[in-house]
Amino acid sequence: QKEVEQNSGPLSVPEGAIASLNCTYSDRGSQSFFWYRQYSGKSPELIMSIYSNGDKEDGRFTAQLNKASQYVSLLIRDSQPSDSATYLCAVRGGATNKLIFGTGTLLAVQP
Amino acid sequence: SAVISQKPSRDICQRGTSLTIQCQVDSQVTMMFWYRQQPGQSLTLIATANQGSEATYESGFVIDKFPISRPNLTFSTLTVSNMSPEDSSIYLCSAQGQSSYNEQFFGPGTRLTVL
Repeated sequence: QKEVEQNSGPLSVPEGAIASLNCTYSDRGSQSFFWYRQYSGKSPELIMSIYSNGDKEDGRFTAQLNKASQYVSLLIRDSQPSDSATYLCAVRGGATNKLIFGTGTLLAVQP
Repeated sequence: SAVISQKPSRDICQRGTSLTIQCQVDSQVTMMFWYRQQPGQSLTLIATANQGSEATYESGFVIDKFPISRPNLTFSTLTVSNMSPEDSSIYLCSAQGQSSYNEQFFGPGTRLTVL
């Protein structure tokens, strides 16, 4: 079992729809969870961080964390073509300070 | 958030040579890291750059191949030694800020091609 798992996609959504990106992790001791956006040919850009169970909203982005289910998700409301990118889920392990990345989900927002 | 710069942004090198990548952060940070990202792949941690001491390498990466320096809290270098085409990749510097949130930011990356 991979430490951080994501569906590689591509996830295709129409413009204006809600995009839902999911991530599961294996280390129950994990405390910090992050979503990065990576455009093709660019480096990862931090867009959301979440540390407590529940939802955290920032503009059109909502991160959701369920530690009991070891599940973290990212919702993007009113998706725009400019949101088309690879979204990387990252989890900081409970026993170490290392950030473990999933393989990323490619999101394609269709105009 | 920390602003991170890297030099060079890209390079094309010959087999058997070495390349040193520089990473500069605009503020003091607690942790600095070096990652590799091969085409179409996710990020792989090479090592944690420790200020004033030897870097901590991940499994599969060794100091002789990837020597790392971190002379102060804002600067680090990664050398890719005795390069082969398999070393062609994007190398990313990353820094973790001093806030309690432990957010980690990335530099723009160095695209390395080895012929």
